[in-house]
Amino acid sequence: NAGVTQTPKFQVLKTGQSMTLQCAQDMNHNSMYWYRQDPGMGLRLIYYSASEGTTDKGEVPNGYNVSRLNKREFSLRLESAAPSQTSVYFCASRGPNTEAFFGQGTRLTVV
Amino acid sequence: AQKITQTQPGMFVQEKEAVTLDCTYDTSDPSYGLFWYKQPSSGEMIFLIYQGSYDQQNATEGRYSLNFQKARKSANLVISASQLGDSAMYFCAMRGRNNAGNMLTFGGGTRLMVKP
Repeated sequence: NAGVTQTPKFQVLKTGQSMTLQCAQDMNHNSMYWYRQDPGMGLRLIYYSASEGTTDKGEVPNGYNVSRLNKREFSLRLESAAPSQTSVYFCASRGPNTEAFFGQGTRLTVV
Repeated sequence: AQKITQTQPGMFVQEKEAVTLDCTYDTSDPSYGLFWYKQPSSGEMIFLIYQGSYDQQNATEGRYSLNFQKARKSANLVISASQLGDSAMYFCAMRGRNNAGNMLTFGGGTRLMVKP
C-alpha cells in the first residue's frame, strides 16, 4: 500500500535552476495538495487541485507552477529556483470523506 | 478566506498527565472539517483525529479527544495520559469549500515536549 509517493526525497539546486517535484497517489483521491514547510513553521499551501484538470493557488504560489497530469499525479515545478525556496515540500491527497494522506516530503536546498 | 490559529508555540507536560493544545479557526463556510496531525522529529505527518462541523458529538480516538466548541470557533486537542512518544509538533488543519474546491489549511503548530 504505497499511498502518496513523492520524488525526489532530497535535492540541491543552484540559484536559477529549474526542477519538477513529482507526486503520485494510488487511493483514487480527487483532491491533491502541495505544501512547503520552513524550519519550525507550519505547512503553507502552495497550490491545490480539487479534481483532475483543475488547479488553484494557495497561500504562497509565487515562483511555482503545478500540473495535474491525471487523477493520480500532481507535479510542482520551480522554473527558476531561489534561496527563499529552500524548504521541505509535502504532497498530500484527500478523498471526500477522508483525512489528508501525506508523502514523506522532499528536502530542497537552493544555494 | 479560512484561517487557523495555534497560539501556543511550545508546551511542556509531565508524563502521564493530560494536556490541551489550542486551535481556533475562522471561516465563512457552513460546512467544514477540522483535523489534527502529529509530526515527530522524523518528519512524517500522522493523522490523529477529525471533527466535522455538523457532528453532534466531540470526536475521540484512543487517548486523543477533540474539544469542539462551534460558537467559539475552537477545536482543541486533548491528549490524556501523555507518553514520552507524544513529544512532537502538532498541527491543526481545516478543510473548507470555496468556489474552486476543497482547501486544506494548517495552523502554525505547537511543539509538545513530554517530561519524564
